[in-house]
Amino acid sequence: LAKTTQPISMDSYEGQEVNITCSHNNIATNDYITWYQQFPSQGPRFIIQGYKTKVTNEVASLFIPADRKSSTLSLPRVSLSDTAVYYCLVEGSGDYKLSFGAGTTVTVRA
Amino acid sequence: GAGVSQSPSNKVTEKGKDVELRCDPISGHTALYWYRQSLGQGLEFLIYFQGNSAPDKSGLPSDRFSAERTGGSVSTLTIQRTQQEDSAVYLCASSLAYDRTYEQYFGPGTRLTVT
Repeated sequence: LAKTTQPISMDSYEGQEVNITCSHNNIATNDYITWYQQFPSQGPRFIIQGYKTKVTNEVASLFIPADRKSSTLSLPRVSLSDTAVYYCLVEGSGDYKLSFGAGTTVTVRA
Repeated sequence: GAGVSQSPSNKVTEKGKDVELRCDPISGHTALYWYRQSLGQGLEFLIYFQGNSAPDKSGLPSDRFSAERTGGSVSTLTIQRTQQEDSAVYLCASSLAYDRTYEQYFGPGTRLTVT
């Protein structure tokens, strides 16, 4: 089970780009990298998933270097409503014990 | 369409009592997951179901915890003889299948307080 390490917290201002890097040094060949977002008093919500290189959707981009030992979630032009906890998750095939870790609390200020 | 629902939304119980938490997954989702989140902490995985089967129960914190799923749909998480350390938000999620490429959809959670 690949463990992940991410910063505990990050502060930003409205309109800025926020980049959250997650380390997963022992990621396995067939593991995928997934990010979830959680607002207070709500369950987590899927943001993006990738295997290698770059993935982009309407919400975020995910950058994964060739060695896949880390990944960076990029949130473009954040707003106050992006204040949340962001979880990096490494998921393997047949990996029941899904671990979300402590996540990164992103606080966006006006 | 309807998302994952959980009931009750809040539950206060006395130490030593049994509680049942219910999860209604999205229709057609074969995989169902239970997590626990203590105050200010990340999510702790408890158990998952593929259909009605739970292949691995080792994530359950103690033998006071059990879970079942019937008809490939509703799941209940039962905690017997509750303890104060069981106080947490219990989250349920479902996905189309048990495969990492399918995103998990989470319910709003049940906040359990053991007094």
